[in-house]
This record gives sequence, C-alpha cells and structure tokens, in this order.
Amino acid sequence: EDKVVQSPLSLVVHEGDTVTLNCSYEVTNFRSLLWYKQEKKAPTFLFMLTSSGIEKKSGRLSSILDKKELSSILNITATQTGDSAIYLCAVPNAGNNRKLIWGLGTSLAVNP
Amino acid sequence: DGGITQSPKYLFRKEGQNVTLSCEQNLNHDAMYWYRQDPGQGLRLIYYSQIVNDFQKGDIAEGYSVSREKKESFPLTVTSAQKNPTAFYLCASSDRAGLAGELFFGEGSRLTVL
Repeated sequence: EDKVVQSPLSLVVHEGDTVTLNCSYEVTNFRSLLWYKQEKKAPTFLFMLTSSGIEKKSGRLSSILDKKELSSILNITATQTGDSAIYLCAVPNAGNNRKLIWGLGTSLAVNP
Repeated sequence: DGGITQSPKYLFRKEGQNVTLSCEQNLNHDAMYWYRQDPGQGLRLIYYSQIVNDFQKGDIAEGYSVSREKKESFPLTVTSAQKNPTAFYLCASSDRAGLAGELFFGEGSRLTVL
C-alpha cells in the first residue's frame, strides 16, 4: 500500500535555529513529491520535486529529493516565529495521479 | 484577488440533517477537490472533479455528495448517512490537467454535529 511518513511529528525550536523535516514515501511509479505549509487553515504550496527537479530553494526554505532513499527533506534556516505551522508532504497515488497521499505532517513551533 | 472561497467557516448541525458546504474559485482552474482533515490523520480525499459535469469518488465518499454544474463552483453536501461528519473540510483547485500538482486551498469549513 502506498504511504507517506513524516518525521518528527512535532518539533519545538528557538528563533534562529535551523530545522530539518523529513518525508519518506513508499509508492509505485513515483512521479513527484509536494511540500505544503499549513499555518492555521489553508495549506499553501511550497515546493514540488520531481526526478528532473530534485532540489528547490526559496529564501530560507529548501528541499531535496533523494530517490535512492525514497525520501525528501525540508530545511528551514534562521527560523522565525512566522515559520510556526504544520508542514505537510504528499505524493501522487500510483494508480491515479489526481489523488495525493498525504503524510500526517510535522507541527513546528518556533519560540522567540 | 484570485482564490478559493469556502463558506460557511463554521457550521453546527443536528444529527440527521444534511448540510451543504460552498466552494467557489475564480482561478479558472479545471480541477477541484474536497478533502477532510481530522486530528491525527492525513488529508483524505472525498470527491474530485476534473471538468464541469463530471466528478469522481475519492477515498471516503460514502455519506457525501457533490455537483459540478459550473467551473467555478463545487459544493459538497454532507448527508445524514455520514457516520462521523464532525471535521474540518478543505476545498482545493488545480490547473494542472492530469497531474495532482500545485493545489490552491480555501480557508476551510469546520462542521460540528451536535
């Protein structure tokens, strides 16, 4: 069965720290992996990683796909309180790429 | 501004009542989705639609119904047949035909059954 596992489930850090969030996947016919940030209600898209685009960066956030290890990491450097959110990882279902398989998310709290 | 609007944000329902959650988008996206989010569980797909007048069941469609009469609108009805309807419901849309890529989400509707 296809699945996505995120770790850790929760994390508390201080402003300025660097954090690394993990997403492991088991899916046949891998196409892409997506990262979202959910602050309060609406998840917002961060990155999409594919075989042809295994590394993405936007400001203090960056993400790398490791197809050999079937995983991805999301790095946040110099964290700010505004980074506090749930970070979600998802992978398209092998049989129907309109369906995403979601991880449970990592809840990040950045304390001042 | 372009985006997805869900309403109501909060809704209380008595057992046995049907309720309809609204989802409207002005992004000109073809695909629209309904997800349910519960504590300790990942987002679960209820229904999705890739084109007007067509929709498919997701993983947990039982007790729900949808319609897609207009490109901009994808309302979700939570029927009395849904055994555990209390949840946070998210609507999303995408413009990537045939690929579940970047999804744009609404602010969600929280339904509580009393």
